[in-house]
Amino acid sequence: TQLLEQSPQFLSIQEGENLTVYCNSSSVFSSLQWYRQEPGEGPVLLVTVVTGGEVKKLKRLTFQFGDARKDSSLHITAAQPGDTGLYLCAGDPNAGGTSYGKLTFGQGTILTVHP
Amino acid sequence: GAGVSQTPSNKVTEKGKYVELRCDPISGHTALYWYRQSLGQGPEFLIYFQGTGAADDSGLPNDRFFAVRPEGSVSTLKIQRTERGDSAVYLCASRGNTGELFFGEGSRLTVL
Repeated sequence: TQLLEQSPQFLSIQEGENLTVYCNSSSVFSSLQWYRQEPGEGPVLLVTVVTGGEVKKLKRLTFQFGDARKDSSLHITAAQPGDTGLYLCAGDPNAGGTSYGKLTFGQGTILTVHP
Repeated sequence: GAGVSQTPSNKVTEKGKYVELRCDPISGHTALYWYRQSLGQGPEFLIYFQGTGAADDSGLPNDRFFAVRPEGSVSTLKIQRTERGDSAVYLCASRGNTGELFFGEGSRLTVL
């Protein structure tokens, strides 16, 4: 069974601070995705990283995929209250085929940004 | 609307009862997924449909859980003889040609 460990589980910071969320596994994933989920809603895709060592930026969010494709990180610069939410990483073990979209999710990081 | 629609949004039932949860995917999406999210956890895969057939049902926890998609669009997740441990948010997602999963808002099931 492939597992994804996210850390930290909870993060409470002040507006303007930087933060990093980690997603680690002993297994290799063909791609890794990051989602944001707000209360009462489903997860919304932020980014997909596919290549080992890949870095993607989405405004103040920077996503990195480890060289061995076993881990990933999400870095937020100058966090804002609107960034508050549950951040989930999810790995896809196989690209294409019947398992595509059959994701393994981490347990999530609950981020609270105080004004 | 244009997104994935799930009903009911909330369902409270008693232990031992039967429940059905409905998912209406984005029009034209052939792939449909059911996930379950317990409190404080990430979603866990239950079953995946490609068209009308279940391509992968390896995540269904036991034979009390069953899902159908008879016409390749709407899907129903059926849970028999519900147990308190079945309480969770049941999420449905559909996938189009871009490969991105679009999730619904979920159905929150509470078994008393």
